[in-house]
Amino acid sequence: QKEVEQNSGPLSVPEGAIASLNCTYSDRGSQSFFWYRQYSGKSPELIMFIYSNGDKEDGRFTAQLNKASQYVSLLIRDSQPSDSATYLCAVTGAQKLVFGQGTRLTINP
Amino acid sequence: KAGVTQTPRYLIKTRGQQVTLSCSPISGHRSVSWYQQTPGQGLQFLFEYFSETQRNKGNFPGRFSGRQFSNSRSEMNVSTLELGDSALYLCASSVLAGEPYNEQFFGPGTRLTVL
Repeated sequence: QKEVEQNSGPLSVPEGAIASLNCTYSDRGSQSFFWYRQYSGKSPELIMFIYSNGDKEDGRFTAQLNKASQYVSLLIRDSQPSDSATYLCAVTGAQKLVFGQGTRLTINP
Repeated sequence: KAGVTQTPRYLIKTRGQQVTLSCSPISGHRSVSWYQQTPGQGLQFLFEYFSETQRNKGNFPGRFSGRQFSNSRSEMNVSTLELGDSALYLCASSVLAGEPYNEQFFGPGTRLTVL
């Protein structure tokens, strides 16, 4: 079992809709959870982090964490073509940051 | 505030050679982590340095090494290059290290091609 699992996609969402990205992790001791966005040919950019169970909102982005289910998600409201990218989930474990393989998101105009 | 910088941005080497990559963290950040990114394996953790000490190391052979200087700048070295070392090498910095894990900010990366 991979430490951090994401659906590789591609996930295709119409412009203006809500994009929902999911991530599960195996280490119950993980305390910190991050979402990075990576455009093709670029480096990852931190867009959200969450440490406590529940929801955390920042503009059009909402991160959701459920430690009991070992599940973290990212919602993108009012999706824009500029949101098209690969989204990487990262979870702390064994004193390091472990990344999922990423979900490729495409927003269709 | 300037972001994380990495040099060089691109490198072409041949098998058997060695290479040194450099990373300058965001001002005030004391922790530097290195990652290898390939299409097949994704982002893989190499090592983390904090206050000139290696805190953690990933599952990479001893050919991969690193160090951190007193000004928090870091270098990583790969000796006896293999074709499979071709990848994007990313450096990330954070203020501190350890849980609750400080947010890491990535540099632009160094694209290494081994021929």
